Amino acid sequence: GAGVSQTPSNKVTEKGKYVELRCDPISGHTALYWYRQSLGQGPEFLIYFQGTGAADDSGLPNDRFFAVRPEGSVSTLKIQRTERGDSAVYLCASSPGGDMDYEQYFGPGTRLTVT
Amino acid sequence: AQKITQTQPGMFVQEKEAVTLDCTYDTSDPSYGLFWYKQPSSGEMIFLIYQGSYDQQNATEGRYSLNFQKARKSANLVISASQLGDSAMYFCAMRESRDFNKFYFGSGTKLNVKP
Repeated sequence: GAGVSQTPSNKVTEKGKYVELRCDPISGHTALYWYRQSLGQGPEFLIYFQGTGAADDSGLPNDRFFAVRPEGSVSTLKIQRTERGDSAVYLCASSPGGDMDYEQYFGPGTRLTVT
Repeated sequence: AQKITQTQPGMFVQEKEAVTLDCTYDTSDPSYGLFWYKQPSSGEMIFLIYQGSYDQQNATEGRYSLNFQKARKSANLVISASQLGDSAMYFCAMRESRDFNKFYFGSGTKLNVKP
């Protein structure tokens, strides 16, 4: 079946602009995660959704970052007034929820470059 | 303090030999889970193996095994009979029961398998 997909795969934007990054989880997966991976680092947790609600957004670095998942499936990570320090690969992952919740399935990521 | 420490930025191993990738963790939560992920150059994180803090036996999945030493807070990944396709970044991760949906990742180890 289809895995987690993320669009766009690459995004170049100018400092100060607004960007949206999209994640399509595996069908039926109730849990969805966003991570940020800077060069040479491991993924850094941003936000977790269970269904439509953001169950834990404690990893969002500041109020320029926001994420939604209005129908409990597709999620969009929104970054306002982008800064050069936001340049990273943004990873999305989903999991079935319940007892198998430890197995996250990751998408290929969106590489964001802020110039 | 770092939740996950991976002290080997890079490792080399000869094809068909075994290799151990080190991971130490820091938590005061008695209940936690430990994970290993593989990230090939294509970028997609692949779940390899999971160990629960209360599991008595070391986890194994095919050629992967997790050497869990609770008192030393270490969770090393052992890959037996290395293959060229094992060349990738490997990340150790943890989540604590008190913050069940937040995963902490280490900085990774780049494994190169030589023919």
